[in-house]
Amino acid sequence: EPEVTQTPSHQVTQMGQEVILRCVPISNHLYFYWYRQILGQKVEFLVSFYNNEISEKSEIFDDQFSVERPDGSNFTLKIRSTKLEDSAMYFCASRRTGQGHEQYFGPGTRLTVT
Amino acid sequence: DAKTTQPPSMDCAEGRAANLPCNHSTISGNEYVYWYRQIHSQGPQYIIHGLKNNETNEMASLIITEDRKSSTLILPHATLRDTAVYYCIVRVRRRDTASKLTFGTGTRLQVTL
Repeated sequence: EPEVTQTPSHQVTQMGQEVILRCVPISNHLYFYWYRQILGQKVEFLVSFYNNEISEKSEIFDDQFSVERPDGSNFTLKIRSTKLEDSAMYFCASRRTGQGHEQYFGPGTRLTVT
Repeated sequence: DAKTTQPPSMDCAEGRAANLPCNHSTISGNEYVYWYRQIHSQGPQYIIHGLKNNETNEMASLIITEDRKSSTLILPHATLRDTAVYYCIVRVRRRDTASKLTFGTGTRLQVTL
């Protein structure tokens, strides 16, 4: 069964450094998403992406964040200058077009900012 | 999207049916009820969704009341692997838009021996 994959599984970085989180969505999916979950808190929507542009973004997704689909398979989330409060699990999700197709989530990347 | 209310936690004995309730009294006519679950810190997993009819798939059954103000997710024979946080989400099901999911705090289901 196809699945969403994410790398790395755990990333440790120092405050102020740039990080890139990578996702490989399911191959025939065209909608892509990033969510995050701070330890002990809710899963929060960050951004959705379709047809090579952002469809919607939350208040969390400020100028420090960016997304990109650099090739036909990868979908990346970049945080330019990490803060301590960016420490969280980051989940990528993807979905097919049309009705009847729901979001499938990857296993997540645990980002620790020190 | 309509607000949902779920109990914070529930216990269920292995092999028994787990019935997880969700209240969504402000649901509107074009909003669907979705259920996802999150096992430990893994990515959320889609379970089932419905509009007004009861639905069943290989994972679970979804019972929606006639007035659509509440629903119940049923895991017919719970196993230890079903221990997870279960999220009930109500939202409009748009055909070709990248509509987001809004997660609440869910119900933490503990399946015990």
